[in-house]
Amino acid sequence: GAGVSQSPSNKVTEKGKDVELRCDPISGHTALYWYRQSLGQGLEFLIYFQGNSAPDKSGLPSDRFSAERTGGSVSTLTIQRTQQEDSAVYLCASRRGGGATDTQYFGPGTRLTVL
Amino acid sequence: DQQVKQNSPSLSVQEGRISILNCDYTNSMFDYFLWYKKYPAEGPTFLISISSIKDKNEDGRFTVFLNKSAKHLSLHIVPSQPGDSAVYFCATHSGNTPLVFGKGTRLSVIA
Repeated sequence: GAGVSQSPSNKVTEKGKDVELRCDPISGHTALYWYRQSLGQGLEFLIYFQGNSAPDKSGLPSDRFSAERTGGSVSTLTIQRTQQEDSAVYLCASRRGGGATDTQYFGPGTRLTVL
Repeated sequence: DQQVKQNSPSLSVQEGRISILNCDYTNSMFDYFLWYKKYPAEGPTFLISISSIKDKNEDGRFTVFLNKSAKHLSLHIVPSQPGDSAVYFCATHSGNTPLVFGKGTRLSVIA
């Protein structure tokens, strides 16, 4: 079946511009996560959506970052007034339910480069 | 302050030999542990997991060992194959919390 998809695969932007990154989770998955991986680092948690519950935004690095999940499916991560330190690979993952042992499945990521 | 540490950034192993990747964690509340494998330009792919109630889980060539008292887990790949060359991430969480990842170990299997 279809996996997690993300678009665009690559995004180059100028410092100060806003960007939107899209994630299409696996159909029927109720949980959705955003992570980012900076060069030489592990994956850093950003935000987590579970069903209709309020999202866990505890990983967002600043108020320039926000995310929405419409209709419990597609999610958009928005970065306003991008900075060079925002350059990273942004990864989305989805999970079938809230069970602790449910596996997270990752999309291919969006590589963001801020010039 | 890293909660999950993979102290070896890289590892080279001869084809057919055993690969051992190590991971240490600091929070004793973590109760589920996973290994992900990542190829360039792709997202991480789930490989194998283990619950804190177990000390070993095996799936084909891959075995994960958990030592709770030492807060240490390891992934054994035997026999190693060139296609296993990738970056391996250790990850963990408790309950429904988001995964906490290590920085990864790049495994190179030499033919």
